[in-house]
Amino acid sequence: GAGVSQSPSNKVTEKGKDVELRCDPISGHTALYWYRQSLGQGLEFLIYFQGNSAPDKSGLPSDRFSAERTGGSVSTLTIQRTQQEDSAVYLCASSFAGGANEKLFFGSGTQLSVL
Amino acid sequence: QKEVEQDPGPLSVPEGAIVSLNCTYSNSAFQYFMWYRQYSRKGPELLMYTYSSGNKEDGRFTAQVDKSSKYISLFIRDSQPSDSATYLCAVYGGATNKLIFGTGTLLAVQP
Repeated sequence: GAGVSQSPSNKVTEKGKDVELRCDPISGHTALYWYRQSLGQGLEFLIYFQGNSAPDKSGLPSDRFSAERTGGSVSTLTIQRTQQEDSAVYLCASSFAGGANEKLFFGSGTQLSVL
Repeated sequence: QKEVEQDPGPLSVPEGAIVSLNCTYSNSAFQYFMWYRQYSRKGPELLMYTYSSGNKEDGRFTAQVDKSSKYISLFIRDSQPSDSATYLCAVYGGATNKLIFGTGTLLAVQP
């Protein structure tokens, strides 16, 4: 498909386990974003990748969260030692070049539930 | 204080009503203002985009920005049940390359 693809769509895990969430952006898009959406909290910025530049990690809530983007395409968000407060929808978005006037294309998200 | 404040609703209106959705923001450096629409279990999609103050109209939708009062609005005319969704305002500008979103307002248009 031509849109942003995220997998899995749903993930249930036990507290303390590690999880990996995957994002496949639109082909040719150099900018990639991860956001977290919790009930009543809106979209919380996590991390931003732009081309070969160092990522903006300013939104990662703790050192249990990390992300990488291999080959300028697919990105993986890893949460180590998951906690119940990590339960949320994790959304990935991409844009052509990351400019201010650019439209972000979002995936449908991964619903993470930590028991 | 959050950088963008938005009433989460829910807001319920009858079909055909005019809907007004609003956000306030705190940083005068923000220059770009967007509205995203999010249907249940889907990612947000861009609905309207404006730069600086003024109005922008697209069909039944009008986006309005008042930078002097740091207030942004989205108006929906002749609302339809298909407009039922969460509407998120977003701002961009200043020193960082990221959109800052409001909490979203859940809108239900009753047939």
